[in-house]
Amino acid sequence: GAGVSQSPSNKVTEKGKDVELRCDPISGHTALYWYRQSLGQGLEFLIYFQGNSAPDKSGLPSDRFSAERTGGSVSTLTIQRTQQEDSAVYLCASSLVAGPGGYTFGSGTRLTVV
Amino acid sequence: GQQLNQSPQSMFIQEGEDVSMNCTSSSIFNTWLWYKQEPGEGPVLLIALYKAGELTSNGRLTAQFGITRKDSFLNISASIPSDVGIYFCAGHRRRSGGSYIPTFGRGTSLIVHP
Repeated sequence: GAGVSQSPSNKVTEKGKDVELRCDPISGHTALYWYRQSLGQGLEFLIYFQGNSAPDKSGLPSDRFSAERTGGSVSTLTIQRTQQEDSAVYLCASSLVAGPGGYTFGSGTRLTVV
Repeated sequence: GQQLNQSPQSMFIQEGEDVSMNCTSSSIFNTWLWYKQEPGEGPVLLIALYKAGELTSNGRLTAQFGITRKDSFLNISASIPSDVGIYFCAGHRRRSGGSYIPTFGRGTSLIVHP
């Protein structure tokens, strides 16, 4: 597609439920990143995919968080047993190659855990 | 965790004024990036800096990569109402595993009064 597409744009879930957030990167982009943005905070790195390499999961805050990237394209971020502190905007970004350049971000998924 | 100190946190200015914001780090970065985020959207790349001492302009925006490689600033001249948003700096270096994962500042919220 023309840009990075994320869905849903908004998600309200009850504490304890699992949620899946989807990211559709720009076609042909090999690098994909997930970030979390809490109110008034910067962007917190979660996980990074590059081609067929093993993902860099060093930013995942707990084992309730996981992500997959199927076929080198679409990625799904899963949060199990959601907690109120998981409420944030989850941003996905992609780039053509992994390198010191800019990234194209999606508009994010605003997750609210009640 | 966050390694970048971005200041100021927020700015309230009159249309036509110049704006200056900066980021400092205790670590060296190889690349500095500046992004702008508008409400409900993901960050959009404004300027990328690749060499220490580099000064780059993009319209009314000017950014510099500090000589020490530990800081960068962004200036906006003759601000206009559409400059409103949150500005993020991001530092970039190659990790030991070969991945490039930028570290973001907490952002500077800019409000421009007409």
